[in-house]
Amino acid sequence: KQEVTQIPAALSVPEGENLVLNCSFTDSAIYNLQWFRQDPGKGLTSLLLIQSSQREQTSGRLNASLDKSSGRSTLYIAASQPGDSATYLCAPNSGGSNYKLTFGKGTLLTVNP
Amino acid sequence: NAGVMQNPRHLVRRRGQEARLRCSPMKGHSHVYWYRQLPEEGLKFMVYLQKENIIDESGMPKERFSAEFPKEGPSILRIQQVVRGDSAAYFCASSLLLAGTEETQYFGPGTRLLVL
Repeated sequence: KQEVTQIPAALSVPEGENLVLNCSFTDSAIYNLQWFRQDPGKGLTSLLLIQSSQREQTSGRLNASLDKSSGRSTLYIAASQPGDSATYLCAPNSGGSNYKLTFGKGTLLTVNP
Repeated sequence: NAGVMQNPRHLVRRRGQEARLRCSPMKGHSHVYWYRQLPEEGLKFMVYLQKENIIDESGMPKERFSAEFPKEGPSILRIQQVVRGDSAAYFCASSLLLAGTEETQYFGPGTRLLVL
């Protein structure tokens, strides 16, 4: 059974700082892993998808890495902005399926102006 | 292209009533997934449907819960005889192809169900 842990649970940083969010998962037999952001009372926005064969993926100020064998992924946010404040969720596949996402509880990020 | 639509956004029911949650996938998407987020918990997979077929309902409670995705119209998640423990946010996602190595799931805004 896939279990996902995200550390830290909450993070508060001043604007402009670079930061790293961590995700670990127990079942390394994944097809891909997605990072999402969730704003209060809203749905999930997909940020990055890393295939199991990839080591990292970049989109703008975001960079996600994947170490499948050790069951770890990180999301690096460069030059953080107040608009980045949200909950960030890590979601690998689980159960040998290529569609069933397992989510962590997320990291609540606050970027202070 | 409109995103995944869910309605209602908020739903209040008394214990024993029925709750019907609707999800319209993105245009052209024929794969729908339902997830539930209990308070203080991560999202949990419930069911995966294609048009007129339930493909995987391994995450759905065996009783009181059902889902459908008819040929025409939205996908429906139905909860009969709701209990307080059903209070949660229910999210729908859709994908163009079977979500796999390259295909992402696009999520709707969710329906927040409160059972009194």
